[in-house]
Amino acid sequence: DAGITQSPRHKVTETGTPVTLRCHQTENHRYMYWYRQDPGHGLRLIHYSYGVKDTDKGEVSDGYSVSRSKTEDFLLTLESATSSQTSVYFCAVQGAAEAFFGQGTRLTVV
Amino acid sequence: AQSVTQLDSQVPVFEEAPVELRCNYSSSVSVYLFWYVQYPNQGLQLLLKYLSGSTLVKGINGFEAEFNKSQTSFHLRKPSVHISDTAEYFCAVTHTGGGNKLTFGTGTQLKVEL
Repeated sequence: DAGITQSPRHKVTETGTPVTLRCHQTENHRYMYWYRQDPGHGLRLIHYSYGVKDTDKGEVSDGYSVSRSKTEDFLLTLESATSSQTSVYFCAVQGAAEAFFGQGTRLTVV
Repeated sequence: AQSVTQLDSQVPVFEEAPVELRCNYSSSVSVYLFWYVQYPNQGLQLLLKYLSGSTLVKGINGFEAEFNKSQTSFHLRKPSVHISDTAEYFCAVTHTGGGNKLTFGTGTQLKVEL
């Protein structure tokens, strides 16, 4: 699993509240990604990082921000959660020739 | 931009029968192609990948895929499936030099029945 830990694994939150998901890696990979998985859409890229403090938007970045102050941690923040952000969120890191995924965070916004 | 199409959202098959999961991609540049498997309530695990070289790629659990550039396809096959192959399968593409960002298909749910 390339030493990827996502926390929390499950979270229920109320509409309008801020939420931060954490991805922690232990193998010093440069590239890190946040995806969301929704039925009928597969996985879609939210944001990615190519180094400390270097981040960029993916295809579904609206309503999300990220930060990477250390190589090992990549944080995803929902500034004001909405019901449309109910999803399963996956963190991934890029190895030499493949991406490795965390176990996912199931987020429910009520 | 690149895209991936998995035409079959669900594929039911009997145990020990062969199966093919279809994947077509679109890209204006050279690509790398991947198949991932997701078991219930788990993350994604790499089945196999095509980077270059032989167009027939063998992966884990007896799966293989063939890269067909002219048809822009990367179909996944297994000659004899097992109950334990029941899972969702995702085809993904990235182009070389693109920061390794993966574009995924919508997934195919393989259901193996007795």
